[in-house]
Amino acid sequence: EIVLTQSPATLSLSPGERATLSCRASQSISNSLVWYQQRPGQAPRLLMFDASNRATGIPARFSGSGSGTDFTLTISSLEPEDVAVYYCQQRSNWPSTFGQGTKVEIK
Amino acid sequence: EVQLVESGGDFVQPGGSLRLSCVASGFTFSTYTMNWVRQAPGKGLEWVASVSGNGGSSFYVDSVQRTYYADSVKGRFTISRDNSKNTMNLQMNSLSAEDTAVYYCAKGTGYYPYFDSWGPGTLVTVSS
Repeated sequence: EIVLTQSPATLSLSPGERATLSCRASQSISNSLVWYQQRPGQAPRLLMFDASNRATGIPARFSGSGSGTDFTLTISSLEPEDVAVYYCQQRSNWPSTFGQGTKVEIK
Repeated sequence: EVQLVESGGDFVQPGGSLRLSCVASGFTFSTYTMNWVRQAPGKGLEWVASVSGNGGSSFYVDSVQRTYYADSVKGRFTISRDNSKNTMNLQMNSLSAEDTAVYYCAKGTGYYPYFDSWGPGTLVTVSS
């Protein structure tokens, strides 16, 4: 099973600041990394697939990068509606696995 | 617009059974992988099970429908689909407290799927 480790656990930033979230895989997964956003009380929403492809309707301030074992989700300028927990998922092999999540808060 | 609506969540005693359903609309249901993902209270996301569709965006191989399960539910849960009714089901047996969670239905894309649309979820509570 591929283990995904996300860091930090919590990120507290001011509006307009840059947020950098990390996801590390226990073995190489090429670019088969997906990011989801889960706002409080809501179902998860697809943000990025295959490391760097934004899903439909996702604002351009969200970007993804990385390959192999190290991946990054960047929010270029934090907005209040970005308060959420962000999860990464690997789709390189079965079983599908998720990271434990990074909570993004507004100061 | 893709819509996924789960139902069947309930309060059940340990050792009991429950059947969840997900009704889909807004896309060609039969061609996509369908999935269950759960989230225990205050915890992260856990993939539960997947069932292949019969199109290119699925792990449909040699005309055989395939299913995959997390080890935590293998042998106890059964995922199935009825393409004529745009419905997916999850039969859950031998339930324990560790199965308490919100269960999400999710539409999957790709051989190893990512989950591009999610339902609002249905709550399963296992307790005596």
